[in-house]
Amino acid sequence: NAGVTQTPKFQVLKTGQSMTLQCAQDMNHNSMYWYRQDPGMGLRLIYYSASEGTTDKGEVPNGYNVSRLNKREFSLRLESAAPSQTSVYFCASSDAQGPWEQYFGPGTRLTVT
Amino acid sequence: RKEVEQDPGPFNVPEGATVAFNCTYSNSASQSFFWYRQDCRKEPKLLMSVYSSGNEDGRFTAQLNRASQYISLLIRDSKLSDSATYLCVVNDMRFGAGTRLTVKP
Repeated sequence: NAGVTQTPKFQVLKTGQSMTLQCAQDMNHNSMYWYRQDPGMGLRLIYYSASEGTTDKGEVPNGYNVSRLNKREFSLRLESAAPSQTSVYFCASSDAQGPWEQYFGPGTRLTVT
Repeated sequence: RKEVEQDPGPFNVPEGATVAFNCTYSNSASQSFFWYRQDCRKEPKLLMSVYSSGNEDGRFTAQLNRASQYISLLIRDSKLSDSATYLCVVNDMRFGAGTRLTVKP
């Protein structure tokens, strides 16, 4: 039981490049989330998916797109990376949208130069 | 005003000390509250949920004050292993910026 996995762990992009961050969970959770964490800012929600087939914007969605590929997988895409998107990205899942514990992946450290 | 605010610290305390953190929230309709712990360069992990009546888990006590719109976390008899950043979470997806705690020998 791996929990929540994320790939890649580290990535360096040049401004304007695109990439997709992958996230998968094996806990049969309905809800999945993408956050970014910047120094002094805490975790900010980018997008979330309450259930397979649905996605909703969070606090900071600009510059990102998501795909809930199936119940297990939730990907985050940067179409044209900008230095302001340098951050640590965490994926999380929970049993249902509501007051339930979120389980986090190990994070992806992204640098955009 | 930010929706969830925490004192960033750092709190530097000796082993065995009692330390308390507060977290204020702006949405009076908030229903769910949590404390997460995050070790350096690691993912956050749930420490405890915060119930209306308050709750205790060993050396950790969490309380909710709806009238003043804050939650608190009290750590008694601090251990070196308690050194981490403590994040409060309101309504599942609103995280505070975290309070950093360092426990020293």
